[in-house]
Amino acid sequence: ETGVTQSPTHLIKTRGQQVTLRCSSQSGHNTVSWYQQALGQGPQFIFQYYREEENGRGNFPPRFSGLQFPNYSSELNVNALELDDSALYLCASSLALQARTAYGYTFGSGTRLTVV
Amino acid sequence: AQTVTQSQPEMSVQEAETVTLSCTYDTSESDYYLFWYKQPPSRQMILVIRQEAYKQQNATENRFSVNFQKAAKSFSLKISDSQLGDAAMYFCAYRSFHQAGTALIFGKGTTLSVSS
Repeated sequence: ETGVTQSPTHLIKTRGQQVTLRCSSQSGHNTVSWYQQALGQGPQFIFQYYREEENGRGNFPPRFSGLQFPNYSSELNVNALELDDSALYLCASSLALQARTAYGYTFGSGTRLTVV
Repeated sequence: AQTVTQSQPEMSVQEAETVTLSCTYDTSESDYYLFWYKQPPSRQMILVIRQEAYKQQNATENRFSVNFQKAAKSFSLKISDSQLGDAAMYFCAYRSFHQAGTALIFGKGTTLSVSS
């Protein structure tokens, strides 16, 4: 059973640029959620995808967007990067029998994004 | 909105000793899940233990156990026979049971150090 893989592991971008982060979900999982973890803080929920549709979103602006593909892998896109976007971005996959009953989150090791 | 509070930024314990990490939460819901996650320097969130709010019995996983006090909205983690490998950041998290599209709400974490 494969786990959750995120790429790249580290990334440095300039303010105003755009970035795409990738996540391969665990085999058999159909739900992917993304979190932003600032240094020394707990992860903050960005959004969640279930069967290729966004079905939940945290308090993040529209410049944070995402996709989920038919194989349940996912991308997180951030436009117009700001210095405060510097953080660890975590992806978690799970199996939802229905859209709301997701169990057993498996997390990736994250992408460390630095905006300069 | 639900919130999770971890009031101990740092804790320390000696090998083989017992330590308890505190967590309180606020919610108006009656059905929900509570979790403890461990985040070592590798950054991957690892599930330590999970509690369903409708179960009165406290969850136990080997050396890890919880004290779930639903009325007090308290969910503490006890680590017995502490090992050097237990050193990590520990996060308490809440998840709504019924609401579709929601994910995990994390506390700010407790850094646990273990000395020999």
